[in-house]
Formats: sequence, C-alpha cells, structure tokens
Amino acid sequence: KQEVTQIPAALSVPEGENLVLNCSFTDSAIYNLQWFRQDPGKGLTSLLLIQSSQREQTSGRLNASLDKSSGRSTLYIAASQPGDSATYLCAVGAPRNAGNMLTFGGGTRLMVKP
Amino acid sequence: NAGVTQTPKFQVLKTGQSMTLQCAQDMNHNSMYWYRQDPGMGLRLIYYSASEGTTDKGEVPNGYNVSRLNKREFSLRLESAAPSQTSVYFCASRPARGVWETQYFGPGTRLLVL
Repeated sequence: KQEVTQIPAALSVPEGENLVLNCSFTDSAIYNLQWFRQDPGKGLTSLLLIQSSQREQTSGRLNASLDKSSGRSTLYIAASQPGDSATYLCAVGAPRNAGNMLTFGGGTRLMVKP
Repeated sequence: NAGVTQTPKFQVLKTGQSMTLQCAQDMNHNSMYWYRQDPGMGLRLIYYSASEGTTDKGEVPNGYNVSRLNKREFSLRLESAAPSQTSVYFCASRPARGVWETQYFGPGTRLLVL
C-alpha cells in the first residue's frame, strides 16, 4: 500500500527566505507526483505536476523535483511571501483499476511572516 | 465554467440522520471522486467513478454510498451519520483521457455530526 509522508508538518519563516518542503513515498511504481496548495476553508489548487519520467517542474518561484528511485520529492519556494502562507499537499498518482489514483500526504502548513 | 461545485457548504447532523452531498462538474470530465479530509491529515479516497455508470470503493468506503447520476453529477450519501464522519468532504473530477492529468477539486462540504 502506498504511503506518503510530508515533513515538516508545520513551518514558519520570515518573508524573503527560500524554503524546501519534503515529500516521501513508499512505492516507486507511480504515474506522477503533484503538489497542491490549500488555503484555509478552501479546496485544493494544483501547483505542479511531475510525470514519472521527469525530474523536475518549475512555475514562477516554485520548483518541484522528483527522485522516483529514492521515493522523494521536494518543493522549493524561492523568496517566500506572506501570500505563500497555506497548506501544501503532496499527492502520488499510481495505477489502480486502469485509473490514476491519488494518495495524499498529511501536508505541510506554511506560515510566512512579514 | 463553474468547475466543480458542491452543495451544501456546511451541514450539521445528529447521529443517525441521513443526508446526501451533491457534486457537479461542467468540464465534461469522465472520472469523479469523493474524498474526506480530517484535521492534520491528507485526503483519503472514499469512492470514485471512473466513468459514467461505474463506481468503485476507495480507501475508506464504510458508512457511505454513491451514485453517478449522469456524467456531470456524483453524489455521496450517508445513510446513518456517525460522529466519526465529522470531516470535510471534497469532490474532484478528471478528464481521464490519460494518466498524466491532474484532478480538479471543489470547495468542500464541512460536515459536523453531533
């Protein structure tokens, strides 16, 4: 059974810092890995999706890497801003019944202080 | 496009009561999903529908039933609510043309069972 772990569970940094969020998974037989953002009381917004054949994806100040063999992914946020404060969820997509099923980690709650 | 919509936004039930959570998507997606999110945890899959006319159990299906009413709508029913079903419920959909796709999430339904 696929298990996804995110460390740390919570993180507080001053504005302007570069930071790294970590995600690990137990089964390397995956289709892809996604990072989502969740604001309090809201749904999930997809930030980056890395296919299993890719090593990284970038969007603006965000960079996500994937090392399938070691079961790890990192989300790098450059020059953090207060607006980045949210919970970040990592999800692994894996085959099940001919579909792409997501298994989520518990999330990292990020607070960026002005 | 409204994307994925969920009703109601918030509901309070007494133990033993029943209710149906509604989900609709206007993106002509084939696959739809129901998740629950408990405090400090990631999302866990309750049921999914890979295509119109099919439904399948996810990780935590006990106490729930689903109906894929048509391509747009996927409802989740609690026949006899229990306090353990207090959670935030998210519906999601996916085009399902290929395994590389992300899922699109609704804003969630917050359910409190007393």
